[in-house]
Formats: sequence, C-alpha cells, structure tokens
Amino acid sequence: QTVVTQEPSFSVSPGGTVTLTCGLSSGSVSTGYYPSWYQQTPGQAPRTLIYSTNTRSSGVPDRFSGSILGNKAALTITGAQADDESDYYCVLYMGSGISVFGGGTKLTVL
Amino acid sequence: QLQLQESGPGLVKPSETLSLTCTVSGGSISSSFYNWGWIRQPPGKGLEWIGSIYYSGSTYYSPSLKSRVTISVDTSKSQFSLKLSSVTAADTAVYYCATRYCSGSSCFYFNYWGQGTLVTVSS
Repeated sequence: QTVVTQEPSFSVSPGGTVTLTCGLSSGSVSTGYYPSWYQQTPGQAPRTLIYSTNTRSSGVPDRFSGSILGNKAALTITGAQADDESDYYCVLYMGSGISVFGGGTKLTVL
Repeated sequence: QLQLQESGPGLVKPSETLSLTCTVSGGSISSSFYNWGWIRQPPGKGLEWIGSIYYSGSTYYSPSLKSRVTISVDTSKSQFSLKLSSVTAADTAVYYCATRYCSGSSCFYFNYWGQGTLVTVSS
C-alpha cells in the first residue's frame, strides 16, 4: 500500500521561509495527484490552504504557496508568523475515489 | 456556505458498531460536485480518510478499513452516515465529516469540515 510521506517536524524563525514536502513511498508526486494542503491547530478542524497543487483556498494569505519540487509536492510559507505554528497535512488523490493523507508535519515557529 | 454537523454516541463498546450521522445545511446534498465523507484522527495522531459517498449512493472506502465500513446517504434528510463495525480501542478518535470536491473522475480536495466528534471505544 502506498504511503504518503511528510517530515514529522520542522522549525522556522519568525519572518523566515520554510518548505514542507509531500512525497510517495514509491514513485513521484505529480499534478495528477491533485495535492492539497491543510492546516490544523489543536482542538480545531483542519483548514484548507491549497488545492490542485497551487491554488489557494478562499481567504488564505499569499504567503502560503504550493508547487511541485522535484518528485514531491511542496508547501512554502514565506514570512512565517507565530500563528503559522500548526500541524500541516497533505492529501494526494490516488484515483478510483481514494484519497490518502500524509502523516503530517508539526511546524514550530521560534 | 455549507455547514456540517456530526452527531452520535461518544462511547462505544469493543466489538460493537460505531454509528455517526452528519447533517448538511446551507447547500444541497444532491450536488454532483461534492461527495460526502468521513475522516478520523486518533488522539495525538494524524488524519485518516475513511471513505466518501456521492448523493447517488456510489461509495469509496479506504482499502485499510473497507471490510468494516459502510457509508450511506439520506437525501431527504440532508444527512449521511458512517457505520464502523467490530470496533477496538484503536478506533478511538475524533471523527470529522467533510465534503470532498470532485469533478469527472477526479477528486481535488476537502473543502468543508464539521467540527468533529470524539468517539471513545471502551467497555
């Protein structure tokens, strides 16, 4: 069974730039997987940030951007702020109606 | 603006069936662009897609849970439901209902979420 991989944790300084990635245990991520990204703070439902690789959801600041970097999907936060400290999840669409979440990345801003 | 609200028992005994319902408001459950699904999150762990259903009744399940999951829809009540059989402590989680935006044969993202409901499996 294909596993969607993410860095377990990452840290960034306030004002800095960080890129989180979303890969596959076997193979490369392409736009055809329609990668999407979600932000979750403790006790809250996830919030949709990015879909279809690089489209920002309504109301999401433009410091969040999505792309394909090499063989992975990527979420870049430019000018990180304290309230960006959250868990970030990617989802890949595997076809045949199947979506798979990555394990999530815990982002610390310090 | 779609709104989703989960409801159901917060405590289920091991080996029994977990049953949850999601009520949809602010939009039509008969939309051809959405399917209606369930996602769960064990305490302190990551998110897991359980499965989704179209208003027509077509279902899609996670391969790892497929043998125990049934999702159904009641368009007359604007509700869809989850049943997970033979539960164990490992099924203890916050369960979210969510819409998944789809077009043609592809599904792009989860866009509306319920607030989540904690279900504990314990005797």
